Amino acid sequence: KNEVEQSPQNLTAQEGEFITINCSYSVGISALHWLQQHPGGGIVSLFMLSSGKKKHGRLIATINIQEKHSSLHITASHPRDSAVYICAASGSRLTFGEGTQLTVNP
Amino acid sequence: NAGVMQNPRHLVRRRGQEARLRCSPMKGHSHVYWYRQLPEEGLKFMVYLQKENIIDESGMPKERFSAEFPKEGPSILRIQQVVRGDSAAYFCASSPDRVGSPLHFGNGTRLTVT
Repeated sequence: KNEVEQSPQNLTAQEGEFITINCSYSVGISALHWLQQHPGGGIVSLFMLSSGKKKHGRLIATINIQEKHSSLHITASHPRDSAVYICAASGSRLTFGEGTQLTVNP
Repeated sequence: NAGVMQNPRHLVRRRGQEARLRCSPMKGHSHVYWYRQLPEEGLKFMVYLQKENIIDESGMPKERFSAEFPKEGPSILRIQQVVRGDSAAYFCASSPDRVGSPLHFGNGTRLTVT
């Protein structure tokens, strides 16, 4: 069992839909990161959170420390949101989930 | 303030050659991390360095791989005698202090071994 697990692995949505990506971790963490990787491969850090909820534009990230679970939500999804979304648990080092490939169709 | 700069973006090496990958962290960042992403796989930690010190290299293969972060200049990930299995994207990230700070990633170096 991976220390960080994401679901779903693949997600296809229609433009405008509300999207949720889930992340469960089994390691002790100081923070949980959500990353975005576009085709072409560059990685952008979206959120780093250790409790509660953070919002940036149409993106919302939540974390429940007791349940060791985090979610990334995208409201009013758009084709430009198509990317791989990766959660990473920050303990003594970063441990990554396998990523969720999101495709938003127009 | 330039972001994390990695070069080259693409690197092609024949089996047995050496590959040198460079990473210049963001200004003011003294912590550098290297990650590898094999084809169709997730990111994996390789090594964590501070200036002139290797803090954690537990993710580095024991042979052929080395990393440094000198007092002056970029961090270097060096792969000697490359093999096809080294073909991957290598990402560098930097932060102003220990893990737990926001990370800033470079665009990666895509190494292809022919």
